[in-house]
Amino acid sequence: EDQVTQSPEALRLQEGESSSLNCSYTVSGLRGLFWYRQDPGKGPEFLFTLYSAGEEKEKERLKATLTKKESFLHITAPKPEDSATYLCAVQASEGGATNKLIFGTGTLLAVQP
Amino acid sequence: NAGVTQTPKFQVLKTGQSMTLQCAQDMNHNSMYWYRQDPGMGLRLIYYSASEGTTDKGEVPNGYNVSRLNKREFSLRLESAAPSQTSVYFCASRRQGNQPQHFGDGTRLSIL
Repeated sequence: EDQVTQSPEALRLQEGESSSLNCSYTVSGLRGLFWYRQDPGKGPEFLFTLYSAGEEKEKERLKATLTKKESFLHITAPKPEDSATYLCAVQASEGGATNKLIFGTGTLLAVQP
Repeated sequence: NAGVTQTPKFQVLKTGQSMTLQCAQDMNHNSMYWYRQDPGMGLRLIYYSASEGTTDKGEVPNGYNVSRLNKREFSLRLESAAPSQTSVYFCASRRQGNQPQHFGDGTRLSIL
């Protein structure tokens, strides 16, 4: 069964304290792995797509990497405005025309000043 | 630059009442999706429409119906609301293939 597991469930950092969030996945064939940011009371906001092992994407203080079993979202020198829930989702190759995503339960990140 | 717009933002219903959640996108996307988000659970797919004129069941379709009104609009209907349907409902759209889905800001639905 296709599955996505995110860890930790919650993470508290001091401003400037770098860390990583993990997304482990089990799918029959990966068509894409997506990272989203979700603020309270809002919908998920797209951050990155990764398509193959070894791929990396960067945006400001965030860097996403992908292996055959997991993805990491590295946060370098975080600021309080980086506080949010970060969601990971995968699209399996057997999704066909449906393009369905399987979501993890997210990591709640709190960055304290 | 509206993106995906959902209405209403909040709604309270009594058990047995019906209502329709509206979703519209202005990005000329082909596929549209309805999810529910509950505490401790990931987003779960209710129904989707891969293209205009088609709809299919997702992971948790029971108690819901959908209509793809045109390319822009995709509505979700609860025929007889139950307390178990209390949730936050998100609509999303995607252009095609394995491109990212883009989400609206949700409808917070409480059923008493």
